[in-house]
Amino acid sequence: GIQVEQSPPDLILQEGANSTLRCNFSDSVNNLQWFHQNPWGQLINLFYIPSGTKQNGRLSATTVATERYSLLYISSSQTTDSGVYFCAVSGNRGSTLGRLYFGRGTQLTVWP
Amino acid sequence: GAVVSQHPSWVICKSGTSVKIECRSLDFQATTMFWYRQFPKQSLMLMATSNEGSKATYEQGVEKDKFLINHASLTLSTLTVTSAHPEDSSFYICSARSPWSGRTGSTDTQYFGPGTRLTVL
Repeated sequence: GIQVEQSPPDLILQEGANSTLRCNFSDSVNNLQWFHQNPWGQLINLFYIPSGTKQNGRLSATTVATERYSLLYISSSQTTDSGVYFCAVSGNRGSTLGRLYFGRGTQLTVWP
Repeated sequence: GAVVSQHPSWVICKSGTSVKIECRSLDFQATTMFWYRQFPKQSLMLMATSNEGSKATYEQGVEKDKFLINHASLTLSTLTVTSAHPEDSSFYICSARSPWSGRTGSTDTQYFGPGTRLTVL
């Protein structure tokens, strides 16, 4: 399988602060997704980003596929950003095709 | 687009009973659905991959006779936890692979249901 490591495991911020979450993966990937899991457990797609850079409002993400990492940037954080952020990848060969391998997540807490 | 629902959202049952969880893709057809399990404060673990019209593929260590998966149509997959025990208590989440590339540019994107919290007494 593919190993996915996320850092930091926990992050506590004051409202308005910026943050960077990192995802390292151990093999070539053809899919990388960032998710936000809200307190009720719902996984919300943030980005599909196997390579390159994307932005959506206060969130942006960059994946450097050749160096096997992705970054999620959260700017001007709000209390509603609290929750767990997961990175998940799928490979481009054999048994790694089509299935997602999840990291352990980053627990983000934003205080007012 | 690409909405996935699950039912029920939570269930409490007695030890020894069976529980069925439904996963539906509401606005697209999904040839492949996935079932995950998540324990508190942990990541998602893939249990099985469900392909419409064929047998599910289970991950190593997942008992196929205990976790029965049926993907009878392009919009519905079910997970039945048979003879449930307290150690089966967990958060079960399904996802469906969307064939629609318009939103993300890829047909490999998975969309997740809201999850089902199972508590076995």
